Amino acid sequence: EPEVTQTPSHQVTQMGQEVILRCVPISNHLYFYWYRQILGQKVEFLVSFYNNEISEKSEIFDDQFSVERPDGSNFTLKIRSTKLEDSAMYFCASREQGVTGELFFGEGSRLTVL
Amino acid sequence: GENVEQHPSTLSVQEGDSAVIKCTYSDSASNYFPWYKQELGKGPQLIIDIRSNVGEKKDQRIAVTLNKTAKHFSLHITETQPEDSAVYFCAVNSNSGYALNFGKGTSLLVTP
Repeated sequence: EPEVTQTPSHQVTQMGQEVILRCVPISNHLYFYWYRQILGQKVEFLVSFYNNEISEKSEIFDDQFSVERPDGSNFTLKIRSTKLEDSAMYFCASREQGVTGELFFGEGSRLTVL
Repeated sequence: GENVEQHPSTLSVQEGDSAVIKCTYSDSASNYFPWYKQELGKGPQLIIDIRSNVGEKKDQRIAVTLNKTAKHFSLHITETQPEDSAVYFCAVNSNSGYALNFGKGTSLLVTP
């Protein structure tokens, strides 16, 4: 069964460092997402991406965050200067349809900022 | 974003009993209401969803009911089993339709 894959599974970084989280969405999907989940809390929407541009973003997704689809398969989330409060599990997700299709999540990348 | 309230935050039931989790939302334009199950260390996985032109949907032991007038929807799990133990999230699509906004989750524990 096709799946969303994410790397790395866990990254530890120092405060102020740049981090790039990588995702390979399901191949025929057109809509890509990043969510984050702080330990024990709800899944929070960060950004959606369609047709090579951001289609929607939340208040959390400030200037420190950026997304890119550098080639036909990868979808990346960059955090320019990490803060302690960026420590969370980051989930990539993709869907075939934009509005009411199933959202498929990856296993997540755990980011720890020290 | 869309305000999604989910209750209860924790729920403990005996194996074989039913479990009900409820969510309310604020935007009357929302039209897609999925439920996700998250097992420890994994990403959320869709278990059932409902669209606003339907009042109820059932898939084996799982059902979802939607009351658009009252702006609430519920997940019903019957004949619960220990493997149903997980965190369950409701979600609602945003104004633009692109994003799903999640509730805070319900930690369900099914004891043998």
